[in-house]
Amino acid sequence: QVQLVQSVSELKKPGAPVKVSCKASGYTFTNYAMNWVRQAPGQGLEWMGWINTNTGNPTYAQGFKGQFVFSLDTSVNTAYLQISSPEAEDTVVYYCARGHDQGAYFDYWGQGTLVPVSS
Amino acid sequence: QSVLTQPPSVSGAPGQRVTISCTGSSSNFGSGYDVHWYQQLPGTAPKVLIYGNNNRPSGVPDRFSGSKSGTSASLAITGLQTEDEADYYCQSYDSTLGAYVFGTGTKVTVL
Repeated sequence: QVQLVQSVSELKKPGAPVKVSCKASGYTFTNYAMNWVRQAPGQGLEWMGWINTNTGNPTYAQGFKGQFVFSLDTSVNTAYLQISSPEAEDTVVYYCARGHDQGAYFDYWGQGTLVPVSS
Repeated sequence: QSVLTQPPSVSGAPGQRVTISCTGSSSNFGSGYDVHWYQQLPGTAPKVLIYGNNNRPSGVPDRFSGSKSGTSASLAITGLQTEDEADYYCQSYDSTLGAYVFGTGTKVTVL
């Protein structure tokens, strides 16, 4: 069965880079896009962008360019989200979500990774 | 600020029917882009409930149904059950933003 398993939460200090992983299993990794979605505590969902798992080409939504980097390691079927300089307002939950191949929606989601940032 | 607007909350007694609206615009629903719905139970990841306006993935009860007309969409829950208490989000694509967009979210409470 399709599974997306994300890395566990780790407390980070402001400015310390953060890398969230999303390991996929149960399907051919390079056949489906991987998306990233952000959710602040008690708030709604926000699409951050996606990465083409075949070419490695990332696309960032407005407001997520510069500080966030999407990457892949196709040898281990894993997508990564790197946050270069998280601040306290970046203490949110990040989800990876697989893009369905025949429709612009997200058919499988990771369990989410909370990135708490505190000095 | 989301381009898809939902009511913050709806409520109903067990067994009742509730509907959640999702209001878009000419650059998303009005341009023919589909609406999809997600259910997020407390403390968990979202799960797709309806895709392609009115299709249910396997395992989703037929109590849930979706529709879209013009620049609006809606999700209906019939025979409301206590386990339906959750947050619900609509989602589509917006051609002006060039991005996937989520609705503002609706909390469903079973009285």
